[in-house]
Amino acid sequence: DSGVTQTPKHLITATGQRVTLRCSPRSGDLSVYWYQQSLDQGLQFLIQYYNGEERAKGNILERFSAQQFPDLHSELNLSSLELGDSALYFCASSPHGETREPQHFGDGTRLSIL
Amino acid sequence: GENVEQHPSTLSVQEGDSAVIKCTYSDSASNYFPWYKQELGKGPQLIIDIRSNVGEKKDQRIAVTLNKTAKHFSLHITETQPEDSAVYFCAAWSASKIIFGSGTRLSIRP
Repeated sequence: DSGVTQTPKHLITATGQRVTLRCSPRSGDLSVYWYQQSLDQGLQFLIQYYNGEERAKGNILERFSAQQFPDLHSELNLSSLELGDSALYFCASSPHGETREPQHFGDGTRLSIL
Repeated sequence: GENVEQHPSTLSVQEGDSAVIKCTYSDSASNYFPWYKQELGKGPQLIIDIRSNVGEKKDQRIAVTLNKTAKHFSLHITETQPEDSAVYFCAAWSASKIIFGSGTRLSIRP
């Protein structure tokens, strides 16, 4: 058990809809990362937050947004969903968000767009 | 853009034999290289990492080597066991972002 909690485990919705994925980092970790894993794109870094502030941005679409709250949990919001957004979404956390710091992953949210 | 290439994409070895997975990276400024193991239905789990000031690191049956000049690093698993069957990802940090390889599906034959 990595200590990172993601909810829900599965989400099924339709094109055009909006969903929110939630992540609770390991106790004591201040930084949260979001990743998308699909069959054709592999693991893609989306965005990183550190202590409530955005720290780094990857291949995140404009239809997606995230935030980290004062209690350090984070939410990833996906809107105007398309079939291609079907994927596994992972959250990871690390203590200080430094580049040479190990990240610990949750077990992901499987998003299916019908 | 920066990328990480990982080979092979699939690997099947006899139980007890060794497995080697290789990765190359493009950003010469990369200085941290973690390896992750992902089992079915689970998130990636960090199994070993290496920093750019070290050439080799070992943890029981797992070892990682780094050649900064050639910009490649490898994962070595010795005395493979059935529980080693999983997908393995290499990664490299580049300009405050982590880039993952495409993964290697390792199967251990009994």
